[in-house]
Amino acid sequence: QSALTQPRSVSGSPGQSVTISCTGTSGDVGGYDYVSWYQQPPGKAPKLIIYNVSQRPSGVPHRFSGSKSGKTASLTISGLQAEDEADYYCCSYAGSYTVIFGGGTKVTVL
Amino acid sequence: EVQLVESGGGLVKPGGSLRLSCAASGFTFSSYSMTWVRQAPGKGLEWVSTISVTSIYIYYADSVKGRFTISRDNAKNSLYLQMNSLRGEDTALYYCAKDIDPSGTTGAFDIWGQGTVVTVSS
Repeated sequence: QSALTQPRSVSGSPGQSVTISCTGTSGDVGGYDYVSWYQQPPGKAPKLIIYNVSQRPSGVPHRFSGSKSGKTASLTISGLQAEDEADYYCCSYAGSYTVIFGGGTKVTVL
Repeated sequence: EVQLVESGGGLVKPGGSLRLSCAASGFTFSSYSMTWVRQAPGKGLEWVSTISVTSIYIYYADSVKGRFTISRDNAKNSLYLQMNSLRGEDTALYYCAKDIDPSGTTGAFDIWGQGTVVTVSS
């Protein structure tokens, strides 16, 4: 049960777009369309921002989008805003009611 | 208001036990799989265990298998995690979380509690 692979950090200026990758295996990311993404500001609980690869829960801004190709999923934040500065985690269903998270990516708004 | 509230955390010596609880409100608890996720200080999220709506399906991370037991009481809208043989590496903030999909579990947790801190130290 190794964690999904994410870059440790990404950064961008306000208004720019940033993309976070999440690489797994055929047993998780590559095998199911059940990839989700979480935003976690410092000291707060995670918040679901993308599920089922590309769906946004109600209330999540459209600037957050998700996609997947093979064993790699991606989260794109378009029109980066200061409030987007947080840690982001990907998560994939891995079969038999098990789940695996990525190591997390720190997004810095320059 | 849809809410999850964890309790039961604390300081325990290595080899000791703790029982965490998670009280749910504002949604039909008995219709959703529930999950425990933990986060060690300064580290990422780690899936711990998931239980299906009728408790038929129960799964654990390898790191806690044989030591932790997840359970639920749908009549009391409550989720539990019995933690035995605790180790230093179990020190973490423990969250309970609700799956967004009532048909099973997908790893999409739309409701999280604020967490309860477990510290394992002599």
